[in-house]
Amino acid sequence: EPEVTQTPSHQVTQMGQEVILRCVPISNHLYFYWYRQILGQKVEFLVSFYNNEISEKSEIFDDQFSVERPDGSNFTLKIRSTKLEDSAMYFCASRRGTARGEQYFGPGTRLTVT
Amino acid sequence: QKEVEQDPGPLSVPEGAIVSLNCTYSNSAFQYFMWYRQYSRKGPELLMYTYSSGNKEDGRFTAQVDKSSKYISLFIRDSQPSDSATYLCAMTFMNTGFQKLVFGTGTRLLVSP
Repeated sequence: EPEVTQTPSHQVTQMGQEVILRCVPISNHLYFYWYRQILGQKVEFLVSFYNNEISEKSEIFDDQFSVERPDGSNFTLKIRSTKLEDSAMYFCASRRGTARGEQYFGPGTRLTVT
Repeated sequence: QKEVEQDPGPLSVPEGAIVSLNCTYSNSAFQYFMWYRQYSRKGPELLMYTYSSGNKEDGRFTAQVDKSSKYISLFIRDSQPSDSATYLCAMTFMNTGFQKLVFGTGTRLLVSP
């Protein structure tokens, strides 16, 4: 069964450093998402991406964040200058099309900012 | 008022019990509802999705939606220790758009052998 994959599983970085989180969505899916989950809190939407552009973003997704689909398979989230409060699990999700609303999530990348 | 409310638990039941997990929501524009299971430090795993009021069954799982009351439920029959996890409800809009999911806080379920 196709699944969303994410790398790395765990990333440790120092405050102020740039990080890139990588995702490979399910191959025939058209809509891509990033969510985050701070430890002990609920899953929160960050950004959605369709047709090679951002379609919606949350208040959390400020100028320090960017997304890219550099080729036909990868989908990346970049945090330009990490802060301590960026420490969280980051989940990539994908969805097939407009007629099907369900989103499939990857296993997540645990980002620790020290 | 929070958009989606879910009792965080933990909910402890013996093996074989019927489990009822619930969410309420405030925005009547939500039309598409999902239940995810999340094991500790793992990604949410889609269990059930539905967009109409009523019941939908899949094996031991039944999802129930009552749009008039803004209330959704997930029932698990014959619960197993392997069902021990956090259960997240999520919902979204079904109009044109890109349909971000809004999650509840999750209910932690513990099924003891």
